[in-house]
Amino acid sequence: SQTIHQWPATLVQPVGSPLSLECTVEGTSNPNLYWYRQAAGRGLQLLFYSVGIGQISSEVPQNLSASRPQDRQFILSSKKLLLSDSGFYLCACGRVTGELFFGEGSRLTVL
Amino acid sequence: AQKITQTQPGMFVQEKEAVTLDCTYDTSDPSYGLFWYKQPSSGEMIFLIYQGSYDQQNATEGRYSLNFQKARKSANLVISASQLGDSAMYFCAIPPPTGANNLFFGTGTRLTVIP
Repeated sequence: SQTIHQWPATLVQPVGSPLSLECTVEGTSNPNLYWYRQAAGRGLQLLFYSVGIGQISSEVPQNLSASRPQDRQFILSSKKLLLSDSGFYLCACGRVTGELFFGEGSRLTVL
Repeated sequence: AQKITQTQPGMFVQEKEAVTLDCTYDTSDPSYGLFWYKQPSSGEMIFLIYQGSYDQQNATEGRYSLNFQKARKSANLVISASQLGDSAMYFCAIPPPTGANNLFFGTGTRLTVIP
């Protein structure tokens, strides 16, 4: 069965600092991978998705970027964090049945 | 463009009672699916149930069922025999007509089960 690991689970960073959130998937190969962000009390916003190694599509222009260096690894990065980057970041993997399978999430607070 | 509307920011239900969470949608896709997810306070998103637009019957999964009314573009989630553990945020979602099978989510409904 599929599992998704996200780390770190919780992160507190100052404004202007860099960011790296990692997501790894087990139990599947060549998955479609997604980064979503959820602001406090809000729904999920799709940030990036990837259909393969090195292939990244951005849904929302911002100071975040994503990379997929390996088939089952998806990384969300920023060179300089903004206050508005605070939120709950969820990595997800597409299943053949159509639904998304989510990781446990990474909670980012920018101060 | 896809649009998902969940008009109930919060709902309360007595334990062991049934509750309906509303979801309306708009899509240009002639064939689509509708998904419901549960997000407990821990944050993870848990897939609950799926309804295909051409499915003849409403989807059911244990205590969860969908009241799918295609002509009205609504796909309401019904939870029967509510339990305290059902207290969570619930999100309705729909895929875009094109793309890599991502989902577009509504703003969610917070359900609180009262003992």
